[in-house]
Amino acid sequence: EVLLVQSRAEVKKPGESLRISCKGSGFNFSRYWIGWVRQVPGKGLEWMGIIYPGDSDTRHSPSFEGQVTISADKSISTAYLQWTSLKASDSAVYFCARPIAEARYDGFDVWGQGTMVTVSS
Amino acid sequence: SSDLTQDPAVSVALGQTVRITCQGDSLRSYYANWYQQKPGQAPVLVFYGKNNRPSGIPDRFSASSSGNTASLTITGAQAEDEADYYCNSRDSSGIHYVFGTGTQVTVL
Repeated sequence: EVLLVQSRAEVKKPGESLRISCKGSGFNFSRYWIGWVRQVPGKGLEWMGIIYPGDSDTRHSPSFEGQVTISADKSISTAYLQWTSLKASDSAVYFCARPIAEARYDGFDVWGQGTMVTVSS
Repeated sequence: SSDLTQDPAVSVALGQTVRITCQGDSLRSYYANWYQQKPGQAPVLVFYGKNNRPSGIPDRFSASSSGNTASLTITGAQAEDEADYYCNSRDSSGIHYVFGTGTQVTVL
């Protein structure tokens, strides 16, 4: 079975750092782009960026460039989303997702369960 | 603001047809993908590319494109189709991707 399993919910304070993870199984992780999507409760989906674990080619959305870092470790089939200094406005659900086809993006057909990040003093 | 604009909400009578539209300059050059999202759940891909429906998606979902507008049509809407729908394609630069603003579909 093809799965993406994300790390648990986090509660952090403003200014703290955080890294959340997304572990793939049931497919060749190195051959699929992995994307990250943000959703503020009650709001729409936001494309954050995408990474190809095979060579770590990474495309951050301009809206998130410099705000987060997307990375991956293909040896353990895991992608990461990292913040160095969280803000209250980073509170959201974060999804990782895998496209339907290898080596290109035609739409995400496999999604993680989402990681809720709450940033509050 | 998003490069892809959708109507905030539409309603459809049970068994009738509803079309959800997505407008953006990039759609003149790139196809849209369409996602369905129900409350508390991850999105589900319901249509992608020129003419592709993922396995397990009912054939009442179809898509088309003309000029700067992409459309998702549900023919014979069912109660379980009530959800938010998002289009997704390249942004105006053609380099990155964006989601549309989303459309809430209510089945009456």
